[in-house]
Amino acid sequence: QQPVQSPQAVILREGEDAVINCSSSKALYSVHWYRQKHGEAPVFLMILLKGGEQKGHEKISASFNEKKQQSSLYLTASQLSYSGTYFCGTPRAGNMLTFGGGTRLMVKP
Amino acid sequence: NAGVTQTPKFQVLKTGQSMTLQCAQDMNHEYMSWYRQDPGMGLRLIHYSVGAGITDQGEVPNGYNVSRSTTEDFPLRLLSAAPSQTSVYFCASSYSGLSGANVLTFGAGSRLTVL
Repeated sequence: QQPVQSPQAVILREGEDAVINCSSSKALYSVHWYRQKHGEAPVFLMILLKGGEQKGHEKISASFNEKKQQSSLYLTASQLSYSGTYFCGTPRAGNMLTFGGGTRLMVKP
Repeated sequence: NAGVTQTPKFQVLKTGQSMTLQCAQDMNHEYMSWYRQDPGMGLRLIHYSVGAGITDQGEVPNGYNVSRSTTEDFPLRLLSAAPSQTSVYFCASSYSGLSGANVLTFGAGSRLTVL
């Protein structure tokens, strides 16, 4: 089952903060986050593991709540380079990922 | 290192035609996969392979065929193209991780239009 991401789109000014949520209807052991810039391939950001610590990448951090079956991505003091579509992915058979529908983030000057 | 190389980057087909999207990786990854990306739908898994000679279906396999004769190559065949197969296709390779799911390295994508 595909995880659900919210919001679907966010528009920010440079320096503002944003939160992107990812929820699953099934038990999660890990959540993966990817970012895709316009016209490019998705690129891996981080993995959140069950029982693991909060991860960080640049000024982007994330949390993982196993009980609530959800993960949140926090973008602090947004930069223009943060613009793109963010996807969460959850494990499925074959060590593959099932991705959410994506959250489009636009950071304006 | 080239990483994951996909060809062609763009393709236009007529309904009923067949074609093959090529994917090659030079990272010696055991896993390879094909995803399609449609607006609002995210990335959906078509087929994947856990090693040479082994393939399996993903979430949306109908109308597609794959084979994996070598570690490096994982072509995706459209048997009889339909307008519903208009999409951007991404090939990815990965190695076995500890988290129960692999970290994917994606190719640049192939944009397919079926008229």
